[in-house]
Amino acid sequence: EPEVTQTPSHQVTQMGQEVILRCVPISNHLYFYWYRQILGQKVEFLVSFYNNEISEKSEIFDDQFSVERPDGSNFTLKIRSTKLEDSAMYFCASSAGGSGYEQYFGPGTRLTVT
Amino acid sequence: GIQVEQSPPDLILQEGANSTLRCNFSDSVNNLQWFHQNPWGQLINLFYIPSGTKQNGRLSATTVATERYSLLYISSSQTTDSGVYFCAVHPWRYQTGANNLFFGTGTRLTVIP
Repeated sequence: EPEVTQTPSHQVTQMGQEVILRCVPISNHLYFYWYRQILGQKVEFLVSFYNNEISEKSEIFDDQFSVERPDGSNFTLKIRSTKLEDSAMYFCASSAGGSGYEQYFGPGTRLTVT
Repeated sequence: GIQVEQSPPDLILQEGANSTLRCNFSDSVNNLQWFHQNPWGQLINLFYIPSGTKQNGRLSATTVATERYSLLYISSSQTTDSGVYFCAVHPWRYQTGANNLFFGTGTRLTVIP
């Protein structure tokens, strides 16, 4: 069964460093998403991406965040200058269509900023 | 934004018991999904159920869209069912093409042997 994959599973970085989180969505899916979950809290939407551009973003997704689909398979989330409060689990998801379609989530990347 | 409330917040069960988890939402939705977050933090898709009833083994779910709630039933619970169960929805009125999900705060289930 096709699945969304994410790398790395765990990343530790120092405050102020740039990090890139990688995702490989399901191959025939068209919509891609990033979500964040701070420890002990609910999952929050960050950004959605379709047709090589951002289609929606939340207030959390400020100028320090960016997303890219550098090739036909990868989808990346970049955090330019990490802060302590960026420590969280980051989930990538994909769906075959937009509104109303089921989303498939990856296993997550746990980011720890020290 | 849409409000998604889950109850109970915590639930402790003896192995073999049955349980019902509830998700209430404040607006009409065209997507509702149930997830199980395991102890390693992974989100496992359980059901895609914007309306109707589905069953998968010991788990089943029902969404009554007109009354804005969904129920997740776990029968004959096992210790491996422990974790946090999340409901997530997408409102009908957000017809922008994207499908960003709004998550509830979850129900933490602990199944003891």
